[in-house]
Amino acid sequence: DAGITQSPRHKVTETGTPVTLRCHQTENHRYMYWYRQDPGHGLRLIHYSYGVKDTDKGEVSDGYSVSRSKTEDFLLTLESATSSQTSVYFCAISDRAGSGDSYNEQFFGPGTRLTVL
Amino acid sequence: KQEVTQIPAALSVPEGENLVLNCSFTDSAIYNLQWFRQDPGKGLTSLLLIQSSQREQTSGRLNASLDKSSGRSTLYIAASQPGDSATYLCAPVDDYKLSFGAGTTVTVRA
Repeated sequence: DAGITQSPRHKVTETGTPVTLRCHQTENHRYMYWYRQDPGHGLRLIHYSYGVKDTDKGEVSDGYSVSRSKTEDFLLTLESATSSQTSVYFCAISDRAGSGDSYNEQFFGPGTRLTVL
Repeated sequence: KQEVTQIPAALSVPEGENLVLNCSFTDSAIYNLQWFRQDPGKGLTSLLLIQSSQREQTSGRLNASLDKSSGRSTLYIAASQPGDSATYLCAPVDDYKLSFGAGTTVTVRA
């Protein structure tokens, strides 16, 4: 299994509070991603990083920010949590190699279940 | 925007039967396609990655085909076992980004 950990694994918080989720990898992969998984919506990309301090938005980035100060860590912050952000959050990593057809797999972490009351 | 459809949504078979899971996608300009397995309450486990230059990829009892021009991929699982019970997700890769289908939930009855 790829060395990806997420913390915390479960969190319950109240509306309006800030929340930070952490993804840590030991694979030295360049690319890191944050997804959320919701019934009826599947997995959707929130933000991704293509290197230290290099990040970009995914399809559902509103209300979320990210930071990557080290290769191994990718943080997802909910500045002011809302009930609509109750979800399971997954981190993924990949080490895109070459160009064109050459591309390595994405590997996923175990997930963080976040409940916003 | 890439739209991914997986059919059927659910499947229940007796042990030993072969499984056929279908995935279709709307934008054929993809680099690769990845198949995952997800057990209830767990993360995603990568099963197979098919590069766009390939038409098939095999791993043990699993075989996946890719027809990029028609926007289809099929995952075959031979001689199913109860341990194969899970949700299977396909994800075409558009540059850096994976787009996911809703998945096919498989139950293999002993």
